[in-house]
Amino acid sequence: EDQVTQSPEALRLQEGESSSLNCSYTVSGLRGLFWYRQDPGKGPEFLFTLYSAGEEKEKERLKATLTKKESFLHITAPKPEDSATYLCAVQAYAGGTSYGKLTFGQGTILTVHP
Amino acid sequence: DSGVTQTPKHLITATGQRVTLRCSPRSGDLSVYWYQQSLDQGLQFLIQYYNGEERAKGNILERFSAQQFPDLHSELNLSSLELGDSALYFCASSPRSITGPYNEQFFGPGTRLTVL
Repeated sequence: EDQVTQSPEALRLQEGESSSLNCSYTVSGLRGLFWYRQDPGKGPEFLFTLYSAGEEKEKERLKATLTKKESFLHITAPKPEDSATYLCAVQAYAGGTSYGKLTFGQGTILTVHP
Repeated sequence: DSGVTQTPKHLITATGQRVTLRCSPRSGDLSVYWYQQSLDQGLQFLIQYYNGEERAKGNILERFSAQQFPDLHSELNLSSLELGDSALYFCASSPRSITGPYNEQFFGPGTRLTVL
C-alpha cells in the first residue's frame, strides 16, 4: 500500500527565516510526486510535479526536490502570505497502467509570522 | 481559480438522508476525481472517472456512488448518511488521456457536508 508521511506536522517561522518541509514516501512504482498548497476551507492548489530522483522545480520562494525515498519543499525567505498547509501526494503505477489516484500525506501547517 | 466548479458550497442535512454533490471539470479535461477530506483521515481518494467510465476506486463506501455524464460533469451521491460522513468533498480534474500519463490534478473549492 502506498504511504506518504510529512514532517513536521506544524512549522512556525519568522518572516525571512528559510526552512524545509519533508515528505517521505513508500510506493511500488512512482509515477509522480505532487506538492499542493491548501488554505483553510479551500481546495488544494497545485504547485509542482516531480517525476524522477534528482529533479528540482522552483516557483517564487518555493523549491521542490526529489530523491528515491523523499521529497523536500524548501521555502526561502518566507512571507506571511506563504502561511498555509502544504500537502505532498504520490501517484503510483498500477499493473503497468498509470491510474490517476493520488495518495496524500497529512500535510505540514506552515505559519509565517511578520 | 482552478476552473473546476462544485455545487453546493455547503450542505446541511440529517442522518439517513441522501444528497448529491455536483462537479464540472475544467474545459477539455476528461478525467474527474472525487476526494473526501476529514480532520482525522486527511485527503482520501474515492473514485475516478474518465470520459464517462469508472477508472479507479478507492475506499469508497457502498452507500456512496458516482457517475460522469456525457457533458463530462460528475455527480457524487451519498445515501443513508451518518454523522461520520461530515467532511469536505473535493472534485478534481486532469487533462491527460487514458493512454498517456496522468499528471497534475486541479481541485475545485469543495462542498462542505454537515450531517446532524
